[in-house]
Amino acid sequence: SQQGEEDPQALSIQEGENATMNCSYKTSINNLQWYRQNSGRGLVHLILIRSNEREKHSGRLRVTLDTSKKSSSLLITASRAADTASYFCAPDTGTASKLTFGTGTRLQVTL
Amino acid sequence: DADVTQTPRNRITKTGKRIMLECSQTKGHDRMYWYRQDPGLGLRLIYYSFDVKDINKGEISDGYSVSRQAQAKFSLSLESAIPNQTALYFCATSDPTRTGGVQYFGAGTRLSVL
Repeated sequence: SQQGEEDPQALSIQEGENATMNCSYKTSINNLQWYRQNSGRGLVHLILIRSNEREKHSGRLRVTLDTSKKSSSLLITASRAADTASYFCAPDTGTASKLTFGTGTRLQVTL
Repeated sequence: DADVTQTPRNRITKTGKRIMLECSQTKGHDRMYWYRQDPGLGLRLIYYSFDVKDINKGEISDGYSVSRQAQAKFSLSLESAIPNQTALYFCATSDPTRTGGVQYFGAGTRLSVL
């Protein structure tokens, strides 16, 4: 497993705006996963993108993956106050299904 | 009912005490994990288990032990708690054959060691 590094560390936007957060990793992966954590709660899986995919959508979420640059981005469109949370990426090398999480991006969506 | 249940949700204990955190799951997953989360440090893997007979150390296993009592139960013990083990602890499960490595988390146990 390897650690994904999220950027920026914190992001503050207004409701209705789009939020983009980025993830970089170091070695080859089988897939990359994004999780959300509401304050003090458990992580919730959002989306998984496989190494042979370049883009994936789920509702207001759009994830891209560039394996040549070892990077991924998560776009949340038309943000809502309920999207306020920390977001983590987790590269999965496929070895023992161990995921290593970075420190996350803290997203604050204000009314 | 939650698929991954952690007990207790909150615990305050004193230095030197033995404490056990419990995790049970109804997802039927073989793989279970224990993480700790500290402010600004993300989640770090303590132990993981692929089945009842397979237990492995994670990156920060010192000071911790685990027991996989059944497929559905995975307990984390602090043999002699110390203040720097104050953290938020999470249990997670996965089944790569069904869900591609996605992990499902419990709600967490907030542990304070005084």
